[in-house]
Amino acid sequence: DSGVTQTPKHLITATGQRVTLRCSPRSGDLSVYWYQQSLDQGLQFLIQYYNGEERAKGNILERFSAQQFPDLHSELNLSSLELGDSALYFCASSRGTEEQFFGPGTRLTVL
Amino acid sequence: EDQVTQSPEALRLQEGESSSLNCSYTVSGLRGLFWYRQDPGKGPEFLFTLYSAGEEKEKERLKATLTKKESFLHITAPKPEDSATYLCAVRRGSSNTGKLIFGQGTTLQVKP
Repeated sequence: DSGVTQTPKHLITATGQRVTLRCSPRSGDLSVYWYQQSLDQGLQFLIQYYNGEERAKGNILERFSAQQFPDLHSELNLSSLELGDSALYFCASSRGTEEQFFGPGTRLTVL
Repeated sequence: EDQVTQSPEALRLQEGESSSLNCSYTVSGLRGLFWYRQDPGKGPEFLFTLYSAGEEKEKERLKATLTKKESFLHITAPKPEDSATYLCAVRRGSSNTGKLIFGQGTTLQVKP
């Protein structure tokens, strides 16, 4: 158990819908990262927050957004969902910028 | 462009048969190379961080090494429970962020 929690574990929804994925980092970690893992793309960095502020953006679509709240938990919002958004979404956390510890993931299925 | 390439894509070993996994990287100023283990449907589990050429780290049957262009994950006398996908990732030196660039992984199967 890494200490990072993610909810929900599974999410099944339809195209065009909007969903919110939630992540709670390890106690004391200020950085939260979001990654997408699909079969053909591997693990892709989406976005990083550090103590409530956006620190880095990767290959994140405009339909996706994230935020980190004062209690340091983070949410990833995915809207206007397409079939190709089906993937595993992982949250990771770290103290600063060293090794990241990953949560168990949310499996998103868009039908 | 930053790139991480892992080989082989898949590896089958007999229990006790030692081998190595390779991770080649091209990155602007390496600021850490990370190895993770991932079981199917689970989140990656942190194994090692290496920062400079010549550095080595060990954990049970696993040993990670680093050169200026690649890293190796040596598995000595593997057991079936070592079966997993092993991921390599790098962090670039010029970045003030923790963004990791991952390779596609090596899927290891150890047969009893």
